[in-house]
Amino acid sequence: DADVTQTPRNRITKTGKRIMLECSQTKGHDRMYWYRQDPGLGLRLIYYSFDVKDINKGEISDGYSVSRQAQAKFSLSLESAIPNQTALYFCATRDSSEQFFGPGTRLTVL
Amino acid sequence: AQSVTQPDIHITVSEGASLELRCNYSYGATPYLFWYVQSPGQGLQLLLKYFSGDTLVQGIKGFEAEFKRSQSSFNLRKPSVHWSDAAEYFCAGVRSGSARQLTFGSGTQLTVLP
Repeated sequence: DADVTQTPRNRITKTGKRIMLECSQTKGHDRMYWYRQDPGLGLRLIYYSFDVKDINKGEISDGYSVSRQAQAKFSLSLESAIPNQTALYFCATRDSSEQFFGPGTRLTVL
Repeated sequence: AQSVTQPDIHITVSEGASLELRCNYSYGATPYLFWYVQSPGQGLQLLLKYFSGDTLVQGIKGFEAEFKRSQSSFNLRKPSVHWSDAAEYFCAGVRSGSARQLTFGSGTQLTVLP
């Protein structure tokens, strides 16, 4: 089984809908991250969490919220999706030196 | 600002040819540096990382990278490219000793010609 899993893998939704992307990890890491990837822009950080009670905004947090339900689970929500949130979303965990990425969720907002 | 720059958006090489992908960093101190590869429809896989010590770092799949402080560079190299190396490559960095997150370059798309 994969160490970092994301559900769903693909999602198409409409403008204004609330969407939740989920991430689970079996690596036992405290640090978890949400990124979005857009062509030509690389990965940009949305939110990150150092433990269940420590959540921090990244460089592009507007329009997003997160929930760290447990050490192993970190969810990303789009309260009211808009078309420019169409992107590939990655969850990641981190140990002392390296990040480990999930397979990604491709989100399309129509 | 701390950053990582990949000057080449797209590179095309022939199978069997050598490869060098450029990465430049801007950090006050020696950063931790990473190269990741993303195959189509896949997540990111770590190729190699540099923290300190030997400036030539060996990674998986026959890749290596050299840290050059004088040039603020961490270029990725492979002596002979295989068709399966076609992918997007990302350089990333974080200030050494920092708990902050990685900063990614914008990526270089590699096309391999038969």
